[in-house]
Amino acid sequence: EVQLLESGGTLVQPGGSLRLSCAASEFTFHSYAMTWVRQAPGKGLDWVSSTTGDSGRTYYADSVKGRFTISRDNSRNTLYLQMDSLRAEDTAIYYCAKSPSFNYDQWGSFRCDSWGQGTLVTVSS
Amino acid sequence: DIQMTQSPSSVSASVGDRVTITCRASQNINRWLVWYQQKPGKAPKLLIYAASSLQSGVPSRFSGSGSGTDFTLTINSLQPEDSATYYCQQAHVFPITFGQGTRLDIK
Repeated sequence: EVQLLESGGTLVQPGGSLRLSCAASEFTFHSYAMTWVRQAPGKGLDWVSSTTGDSGRTYYADSVKGRFTISRDNSRNTLYLQMDSLRAEDTAIYYCAKSPSFNYDQWGSFRCDSWGQGTLVTVSS
Repeated sequence: DIQMTQSPSSVSASVGDRVTITCRASQNINRWLVWYQQKPGKAPKLLIYAASSLQSGVPSRFSGSGSGTDFTLTINSLQPEDSATYYCQQAHVFPITFGQGTRLDIK
């Protein structure tokens, strides 16, 4: 069974930085695209960023572009999200999720078939 | 960006009922529509992709239909464990966008 374990969430001041990690196991990590999705307290799902299996392509929501960086270390089976210039509106549970494909070249292929349990990021002074 | 609008925002139904949730896209997304289920305090779970394809392991009482801009998620023979919030997501183009969610309560 696919295992995804996020870590790194904590309380951080506005303008600060944080790096989230997602440790993957029980599947061939480098073969699959990965995604970060967040959920503000009591709110809906909000796509943040995605990367292909080889990091060849990355995608970002406009709300985080230029502030967040998605990356992966396939040798460590780990996905990362570097978050800089954090704002109060970035407060959310951050989930990492696996896609069932290496990339998104096939039309309409984006979906998340396995999710971690999430890590809470709180941006507040 | 493609806007996804779900209706209703919440619904209450009894065990054994059939429930239908609607999702409308602001532009044509062909059949590239995904449905998730999320229970309180849990991560979302993939139910349906490509509008009508059932994810492995999901009970057959869940079904999806639609194309273009209008889509539906139908739950037949409602069970107590179906109490959750349901989200649609367009998979047509980046940026990926979700509907606002529909909360389903079991009476």
